Amino acid sequence: GAGVSQTPSNKVTEKGKYVELRCDPISGHTALYWYRQSLGQGPEFLIYFQGTGAADDSGLPNDRFFAVRPEGSVSTLKIQRTERGDSAMYLCASSRRGGYGYTFGSGTRLTVV
Amino acid sequence: AQTVTQSQPEMSVQEAETVTLSCTYDTSESDYYLFWYKQPPSRQMILVIRQEAYKQQNATENRFSVNFQKAAKSFSLKISDSQLGDAAMYFCAYRSMEYGNKLVFGAGTILRVKS
Repeated sequence: GAGVSQTPSNKVTEKGKYVELRCDPISGHTALYWYRQSLGQGPEFLIYFQGTGAADDSGLPNDRFFAVRPEGSVSTLKIQRTERGDSAMYLCASSRRGGYGYTFGSGTRLTVV
Repeated sequence: AQTVTQSQPEMSVQEAETVTLSCTYDTSESDYYLFWYKQPPSRQMILVIRQEAYKQQNATENRFSVNFQKAAKSFSLKISDSQLGDAAMYFCAYRSMEYGNKLVFGAGTILRVKS
């Protein structure tokens, strides 16, 4: 696509529920990144994919968070047993391999009530 | 680990005037990239300008320019002839050239433009 698409744009879920956030990167971009942005803060790195594999998942806060990119294109960030502290904006970005110019999506705002 | 500090939570500028946003960073690396991103209320992060650490010349993009002081680990953004559309949250970010691809962001500066 022309840009990075993230769906849904907003998600409200109850504490304890499971959620999936989707990111569709720019066509041809092999690198994909997930960041989490709390209110009034800068984005924090979660995970980076190069192709289908997670090249760096050091930012995932705990084992309730998991991300996949099975065909090297669309990625899904999965959060189990959601907690109120998971409420944040989740941003996805993509880039060409070796490129330093990221294109960000508009994010998914997750609210856990 | 690298850190990025933006010491100005909020700045204001009159339309058509010039404003400078500050950023300092900490790293032991010699080669890296620095970026300024803009995040308007629409939420999408937009790249404003980037600087490669090995380049001594300061980057410029139209009304946006940087003052890169490598020894001081300082990377400020100057916006000239400010426009109402410049109002947004601005983030400074660091990326290692050698170790990984992730960006390390500062906490951001809210820029308000007065008409």
